[in-house]
Amino acid sequence: ETGVTQTPRHLVMGMTNKKSLKCEQHLGHNAMYWYKQSAKKPLELMFVYNFKEQTENNSVPSRFSPECPNSSHLFLHLHTLQPEDSALYLCASSQDGGEGNTIYFGEGSWLTVV
Amino acid sequence: QKEVEQNSGPLSVPEGAIASLNCTYSDRGSQSFFWYRQYSGKSPELIMSIYSNGDKEDGRFTAQLNKASQYVSLLIRDSQPSDSATYLCAVIPPGSGYALNFGKGTSLLVTP
Repeated sequence: ETGVTQTPRHLVMGMTNKKSLKCEQHLGHNAMYWYKQSAKKPLELMFVYNFKEQTENNSVPSRFSPECPNSSHLFLHLHTLQPEDSALYLCASSQDGGEGNTIYFGEGSWLTVV
Repeated sequence: QKEVEQNSGPLSVPEGAIASLNCTYSDRGSQSFFWYRQYSGKSPELIMSIYSNGDKEDGRFTAQLNKASQYVSLLIRDSQPSDSATYLCAVIPPGSGYALNFGKGTSLLVTP
């Protein structure tokens, strides 16, 4: 248990569906992240939020829409996805300002787009 | 392009041996380095962080950093079958704020 909780753990959605991934951190951190992990590729940073403000959008297609209502919660809204978007989506958090900014991951949400 | 390079493996070592995992990074100004372990179907978990040149030891794990060579390694002593996993090297490059860049990972197999 890392203190970062993601739901749902598994999601299957059609290309016309709209769904959301949810992340909650119980560590008191001020930064939250979405990463994407596809087979044979490095973890890809998607979005970064620091104190609820988006500080990085790593050229992610608009069919992925993040939302950070407060420092403890992060959402990833999904709509009109493509099969190639099937991957493990990892939420993470960290305490900005600490040495090296150690990132702690949630268990991930496995997404399959059919 | 800020890159973190790792040999994908698999690296196979017998139980009890030393496993040596290597990583190079392209951005010379990087200051913070991490090793994560990821079991199949699970999320990455932090093993070690290192910020200064030299060695850092934690139990059976030793991280080694050489900024001049842009090289960071992880040694696992007395390797156990439970160490079989993918090991991810991660770097915070300068100017990125605090987000990590990850390598593709090295698959380690420890055989009994």
